[in-house]
Amino acid sequence: KAGVTQTPRYLIKTRGQQVTLSCSPISGHRSVSWYQQTPGQGLQFLFEYFSETQRNKGNFPGRFSGRQFSNSRSEMNVSTLELGDSALYLCASSEGGADTDTQYFGPGTRLTVL
Amino acid sequence: AQSVTQLGSHVSVSEGALVLLRCNYSSSVPPYLFWYVQYPNQGLQLLLKYTTGATLVKGINGFEAEFKKSETSFHLTKPSAHMSDAAEYFCAVSDRGSNTGKLIFGQGTTLQVKP
Repeated sequence: KAGVTQTPRYLIKTRGQQVTLSCSPISGHRSVSWYQQTPGQGLQFLFEYFSETQRNKGNFPGRFSGRQFSNSRSEMNVSTLELGDSALYLCASSEGGADTDTQYFGPGTRLTVL
Repeated sequence: AQSVTQLGSHVSVSEGALVLLRCNYSSSVPPYLFWYVQYPNQGLQLLLKYTTGATLVKGINGFEAEFKKSETSFHLTKPSAHMSDAAEYFCAVSDRGSNTGKLIFGQGTTLQVKP
């Protein structure tokens, strides 16, 4: 099976702009989780979607949002970008999002905000 | 709130030496435990996980970890380091019964392997 794919891999934006990142999970996986990775804060959970519903959300401002489509592909959107949003954004898919499920990670999208 | 502590942000070993990366969790109810590895410019790859059963878990690439409830620990070991093991390692937990796709990660340990 193909792994988790994320597009684009690299993105440069300026403050105030918005951005949309895409994640295609492993075929058959219904849960997609998103994480932000920065040198200072490490890996932090953003949110998780299962069957097009957000089931869990991390401690991020409302500028961070996401959605999931019927084919389980997911997008996350960040509006009004700030310098501190520069990070590697990782998505991970799992079969059902159960706490014992293995999450399979994509290569990430590196976002730079200037 | 659940938290994960990885002791030592950087660990350096010689090729062929024992690798020991430390991980402690905070909750009184043991969570499910995972170790992931991240190579430069890549995503995370699962090395091993503990959910139930035998407390000594074997993973890929010769790594293993032992769940010790009394010590709230899940340390990762490998008997003999290879140059290819140089990477960043993350310990992560998920709460039992949550079933909402959330992993809580430690801050990571960078493993350097010297020839």
